[in-house]
Amino acid sequence: NAGVTQTPKFQVLKTGQSMTLQCAQDMNHNSMYWYRQDPGMGLRLIYYSASEGTTDKGEVPNGYNVSRLNKREFSLRLESAAPSQTSVYFCASRSRGYNSPLHFGNGTRLTVT
Amino acid sequence: GNSVTQMEGPVTLSEEAFLTINCTYTATGYPSLFWYVQYPGEGLQLLLKATKADDKGSNKGFEATYRKETTSFHLEKGSVQVSDSAVYFCALSEGRDDKIIFGKGTRLHILP
Repeated sequence: NAGVTQTPKFQVLKTGQSMTLQCAQDMNHNSMYWYRQDPGMGLRLIYYSASEGTTDKGEVPNGYNVSRLNKREFSLRLESAAPSQTSVYFCASRSRGYNSPLHFGNGTRLTVT
Repeated sequence: GNSVTQMEGPVTLSEEAFLTINCTYTATGYPSLFWYVQYPGEGLQLLLKATKADDKGSNKGFEATYRKETTSFHLEKGSVQVSDSAVYFCALSEGRDDKIIFGKGTRLHILP
């Protein structure tokens, strides 16, 4: 059982370049999330999707876009990368209901030079 | 808005010591509360949860009790092991929207 799969695991970009982080889950979960993790800042929510076809902004959405392609896949796009976007990015999913826990991928470590 | 505050780290303990990591929350409704653990190089994984007042979550020797009167959900373990070295995150989820809010994390080092 793969759970939540993120690609790539590592990426280095130059300022101004674009890229898409991919995330897929095989647990038939309704909700999917993108977080970034920075030292001393914990996890901050970038965007989330409560169901297929809907997306909402989280705490730090500026500089990012998302697409909920179908129930399984939720991608995060950086249109013009900036050094401030150097971080570890985590995708997560959960089934419907606020009692349900999150299931996380193993993260993408992004460096923007 | 909702928020989670947990004690600053790092916390360094000797093996077999008693552990407490404090977590308090602010919420307008009745949230569910979670503790997640992150081992080096990995994503977060659920450690335990509690969904209503006075519930106790437990797993792998860790416990936390949902205290509504003090808005707290402190993590405890009676005898820590070197393998417990990790970063621990307290989180809350409320029914009004689908967001999950995390604390900043507490890094735990256990010395042999």
